[in-house]
Amino acid sequence: GENVEQHPSTLSVQEGDSAVIKCTYSDSASNYFPWYKQELGKRPQLIIDIRSNVGEKKDQRIAVTLNKTAKHFSLHITETQPEDSAVYFCAPRSYNQGGKLIFGQGTELSVKP
Amino acid sequence: DAGVIQSPRHEVTEMGQEVTLRCKPISGHDYLFWYRQTMMRGLELLIYFNNNVPIDDSGMPEDRFSAKMPNASFSTLKIQPSEPRDSAVYFCASSNDRDRVRSGELFFGEGSRLTVL
Repeated sequence: GENVEQHPSTLSVQEGDSAVIKCTYSDSASNYFPWYKQELGKRPQLIIDIRSNVGEKKDQRIAVTLNKTAKHFSLHITETQPEDSAVYFCAPRSYNQGGKLIFGQGTELSVKP
Repeated sequence: DAGVIQSPRHEVTEMGQEVTLRCKPISGHDYLFWYRQTMMRGLELLIYFNNNVPIDDSGMPEDRFSAKMPNASFSTLKIQPSEPRDSAVYFCASSNDRDRVRSGELFFGEGSRLTVL
């Protein structure tokens, strides 16, 4: 089955700095690569995603990059703000496996003012 | 649409009791997922359905857990008998893989926080 690993598990940055979280997956058939944000006590919500025919996607301060050869994709947050503090999850998905969606273990980001 | 609706939001029960969690997915969505979240194990996929049919239940911890989806607008996750180690937040999520633009995006309910004493 799919093996998904995120690094780092915790990340602390100063407000205004950049943050990068990496997700490594094992299933070469994965073709959809989302990132979810979960604030304390809330539900996970999609913040950005990318499909396998694209190498990079940007939405304001967040971006996702994909390296299908190496089987990893990364979340980039620039100009971090305290409201970016949350747990971030990657969840690569393979439609060849019937749509199964496995989450990484999560990265707790703390942005200090 | 009101989004994915789960009930109850909170449940406190005693060991050995039966627990039933309920989920109403977003209308028109063809996938439904049940996840369990704990500090130790993160977000675990328990089971998922496609067009009301269970596709993969390999994440269901043991026979005490069962899930059904009798129709496109309702699913249940049942634990019988419950144990203290079942204490967790249980999330239901749905997705519309027929949507060419947003295919794959999971929409989560607010979760059901279960405490088994």
